[in-house]
Amino acid sequence: GQQVMQIPQYQHVQEGEDFTTYCNSSTTLSNIQWYKQRPGGHPVFLIQLVKSGEVKKQKRLTFQFGEAKKNSSLHITATQTTDVGTYFCAGPSLNQGGKLIFGQGTELSVKP
Amino acid sequence: DTGVSQNPRHKITKRGQNVTFRCDPISEHNRLYWYRQTLGQGPEFLTYFQNEAQLEKSRLLSDRFSAERPKGSFSTLEIQRTEQGDSAMYLCASSPGPGIQPQHFGDGTRLSIL
Repeated sequence: GQQVMQIPQYQHVQEGEDFTTYCNSSTTLSNIQWYKQRPGGHPVFLIQLVKSGEVKKQKRLTFQFGEAKKNSSLHITATQTTDVGTYFCAGPSLNQGGKLIFGQGTELSVKP
Repeated sequence: DTGVSQNPRHKITKRGQNVTFRCDPISEHNRLYWYRQTLGQGPEFLTYFQNEAQLEKSRLLSDRFSAERPKGSFSTLEIQRTEQGDSAMYLCASSPGPGIQPQHFGDGTRLSIL
């Protein structure tokens, strides 16, 4: 079945270091969404990428969508303690019915 | 925009009991989704509604699970004859629809089966 995979599962960084999480889909995606879940919280939408090769920035966060629309990445420059949480990518199901297939997430911890 | 509301926040019950959860989506959103999340995993799709119509159900949703959205507003998810493996966080999300839109999640209901 359709799968979305993320690596790494965990990342521990020192505050100020950069962080990257990678997302790969078993199928070509029409778009990809990224969510952040703080410890004890719920997933919160960050961004949606639609175009092949698209790059979007939100302050220190840079999101990329691969040329083949099967992979994506999230890069955080100079991490801060407020970046702590689990980052999920999610792609729509092939039947375009509206449901999202989530990756297993990358848990980021930041040491002050 | 008061956000997606779920209750109860926590439910502890004995194996074999029935439980029901409620979700109130953002008022103008006509799509409503139910997901299940276990520790260290991403949300897993269970089912979704467009208005009052249930459009898709996951194969994960056994016949012990049923969901309704009778008037196209709030939704309920019922689990009958709960099992240990049902212990999880049950998340509800809504989106304006149609098409692929950002989903707004509630805080979830954490179910613990004794």
